[in-house]
Amino acid sequence: SYELTQPPSVSVSPGQTARITCSGDALPKQYAYWYQQKPGQAPVLVIYKDSERPSGIPERFSGSSSGTTVTLTISGVQAEDEADYYCQSADSSGTVVFGGGTKLTVL
Amino acid sequence: QVTLKESGPVLVKPTETLTLTCTVSGFSLSNARMGVSWIRQPPGKALEWLAHIFSNDEKSYSTSLKSRLTISKDTSKSQVVLTMTNMDPVDTATYYCARTLSGSPNWFDPWGQGTLVTVSS
Repeated sequence: SYELTQPPSVSVSPGQTARITCSGDALPKQYAYWYQQKPGQAPVLVIYKDSERPSGIPERFSGSSSGTTVTLTISGVQAEDEADYYCQSADSSGTVVFGGGTKLTVL
Repeated sequence: QVTLKESGPVLVKPTETLTLTCTVSGFSLSNARMGVSWIRQPPGKALEWLAHIFSNDEKSYSTSLKSRLTISKDTSKSQVVLTMTNMDPVDTATYYCARTLSGSPNWFDPWGQGTLVTVSS
């Protein structure tokens, strides 16, 4: 079955830039979406269609795409950004798939 | 303001059927290009998409769980119902419903708060 691969964890110091990657063979043909999930809370959309930011999401969150990899970048990381981040896309038939999630730790 | 709220049992026994209801507000289930999906998350694990239903009654299911799932909607009540048969302890998870935007692929915004369902005898 189709998989989206994320690193299990990423650690950065406050004010630094965090980059979380997501790899999948179908990503050149399907948009990617990113969700932030804080402990005990529901996921929140932070990036849609590879690089668009929903209203209300801070400008420090950005997304990019290159070939089979998409990247969520958080510039000037703040303590409140500590969370799990999930990428989402679909396989070639359009069936939704989530990545395994990345735990972002702010040191 | 768009909101979704899940409701259903917190505890089910193995082999029983789970029925979950998602009540939405702030948008209509008859809106084109919008629907509702169910997504679950076992404790400490990743998200797993289960099913969706759109305004034209288009339905789709996870390939691995298709035989156990049924999704339906009652537009007049603004509710979407998911049933999952033959529950097993591995189905213990937080179950979320989310507004689904039609796209390539579909995407989810916003999500309900989730409801934790435990499968145990």
